[in-house]
Amino acid sequence: EVQLLESGGGLVQPGGSLRLSCAASEFTFSSYAMNWVRQAPGKGLEWVSVISVSGGSTQYADSVKGRFTISRDNSKNTLYLQMNSLRAEDTAVYYCAKTAYAYGEHYFDLWGQGTPVTVSS
Amino acid sequence: EIVLTQSPGTLSLSPGERATLSCRASQSISSSYLAWYRQKPGQAPRLLIYGASSRATGIPDRFSGSGSGTDFTLTINRLEPEDFAVYYCQQYGSSPLTFGGGTKVEIK
Repeated sequence: EVQLLESGGGLVQPGGSLRLSCAASEFTFSSYAMNWVRQAPGKGLEWVSVISVSGGSTQYADSVKGRFTISRDNSKNTLYLQMNSLRAEDTAVYYCAKTAYAYGEHYFDLWGQGTPVTVSS
Repeated sequence: EIVLTQSPGTLSLSPGERATLSCRASQSISSSYLAWYRQKPGQAPRLLIYGASSRATGIPDRFSGSGSGTDFTLTINRLEPEDFAVYYCQQYGSSPLTFGGGTKVEIK
């Protein structure tokens, strides 16, 4: 089955770090740009970051720029999000999402089930 | 950045009725790069429409999208039980990608 499976979420103190992973299966992961999108409790969707197929091109929302780093390992079919200097406002469910293109910002044709991140003391 | 405003915030309808959802952009969206998603409670969003009017794979024809420039519409004919959910529009014509605030379609 074509799917994305996130992991790595949890409870972290303000100022702390967390690394999210997203494992892809049953499609050619290395052919598509990948994204992270988040959703705060009871709120709407917010795009976080995108990475191109090679990993050579990345973009970030202003709200996370300089604190979060997106990366990928095509040999492991896995997407990552390294989150540093976490703040209470980063509390959300984090989804990885696939686009139908190799690079750039597009719509999302496949989503994972999400992993929750809570930033609190 | 492009701000997307969805209306109404909540739509109360009965199964079998038609739903009309609006998404208005703060500036023109190039090449009609607008998508629609449905999010059921406790689930991830699912792509319904891209390019303003193209249905995604596996999406039934009771879903249709229209519009251009700054005004876009998602129409759902003959509401099914699984259609009672929250719907989001998203633009990808300009960086950064942005989403609307959502429209909840609830059972009347």
